[in-house]
Parts: sequence; C-alpha cells; structure tokens
Amino acid sequence: DTAVSQTPKYLVTQMGNDKSIKCEQNLGHDTMYWYKQDSKKFLKIMFSYNNKELIINETVPNRFSPKSPDKAHLNLHINSLELGDSAVYFCASSQVTYSTKSEAFFGQGTRLTVV
Amino acid sequence: AQTVTQSQPEMSVQEAETVTLSCTYDTSESDYYLFWYKQPPSRQMILVIRQEAYKQQNATENRFSVNFQKAAKSFSLKISDSQLGDAAMYFCAYRSSGNTGKLIFGQGTTLQVKP
Repeated sequence: DTAVSQTPKYLVTQMGNDKSIKCEQNLGHDTMYWYKQDSKKFLKIMFSYNNKELIINETVPNRFSPKSPDKAHLNLHINSLELGDSAVYFCASSQVTYSTKSEAFFGQGTRLTVV
Repeated sequence: AQTVTQSQPEMSVQEAETVTLSCTYDTSESDYYLFWYKQPPSRQMILVIRQEAYKQQNATENRFSVNFQKAAKSFSLKISDSQLGDAAMYFCAYRSSGNTGKLIFGQGTTLQVKP
C-alpha cells in the first residue's frame, strides 16, 4: 500500500506543451505539498494545501497551477512548459493540525524533462 | 527566514565504520522540528530520524543517531556500522511548529560507502 503515490514517474515533453502530475495520499493527512528538486538536487517548496485550501504559494511562475479536489489529492498542472522546468517534482503529505507526528511523507517523484 | 546549511557536499566512509554528517540552521523560533531524510538513487525520500526542539534528549533510530545542540543551532547525523545500503544523498530539513508543515532543506550531502 503506497502511502503517497504520484503519476507519472517520468514525463518527457516538448517546450510549449501543457502537462499534469497527479498525487494521492492514503494516510488521512490534512496537508499536501509540491516540492521541486532542481538539477543540483536542491529541494524547495512550491505549494501547500491544507484541507483543500491553498496555504503556501511560493514564488512560482503563474504557469504552475495546483489543484486539490479533496484533501487526499493534489495535482499540479503546468502550462507552456519551458526548458527550465525540467526537474524532479515531489508530492508530499503530513498531518499538521492535532498531531504529535511532524514528519512529511513523500511520493516517489516525477522526473520532468522538457525538450 | 529560516535557513539550513549542510557544508559537506560529499562524504565517504568504510563499511562498518562510523560517519557524521553536519547540519546547521538559523532560526529565531524556539519551537520547531528537525529531520534527516535519505534519498537513494531510486529517488525516494525516506525519513531517517526526527528531533523535536523541545526535547533535550537526542533522537536515536537503530544505527542512526543525532547530536542536537540547540544553542549552537547544530543538528548532526551519526551513522554507526555503516552499510552499503546507506549510500545515498542525505538532506537535513527544518520545520517550524506553525500550521503549514513547510520543510526547509539543506543542500544535501552525498554519502559514499566503501566495501
């Protein structure tokens, strides 16, 4: 039983295309995140949703739009893909409220390559 | 803003030996969480160990232990009896006690284990 699963694992696409990455968690957590890992392996948060409400929106181009249909799902849609968008995108979840457990659980990552 | 610094880009250790990975952080908060995550070549982010700032006792998980020095804002990871499977990139991460659960990561340390 995968706790946080994201699809696809690999995505190769041409510049200018629009693509989506899906994420689902079965841990019952109230908060989900998108992190970006760049070519130097640096990890940085992009977005966070708590119970379907956007609570973190870091400095990310408007071409990136997250959507959370329910608290178990968080998708990332990217419009007009650019070469610089090539990276690994991680979905994660954690229980933020009413919990003594502080850790985040991560999906397996989606390697996006824009050609 | 909080920052996390890992000053060792690469480390190596002989199998069965002990190695310590360094991490320092900067924060004005008194309550927070610290983590070490492992990222093997499979790309999966795996929680190794966590430490709550309010706890004076250093966390331990089997062969993994931390040296948490709150005043010095230092959080090092000690791996005892190193195994080939420990080879990976290790990330130190900070989380505020606030209600976002956002993780701030260090740059990562690549650990090589020599047989």
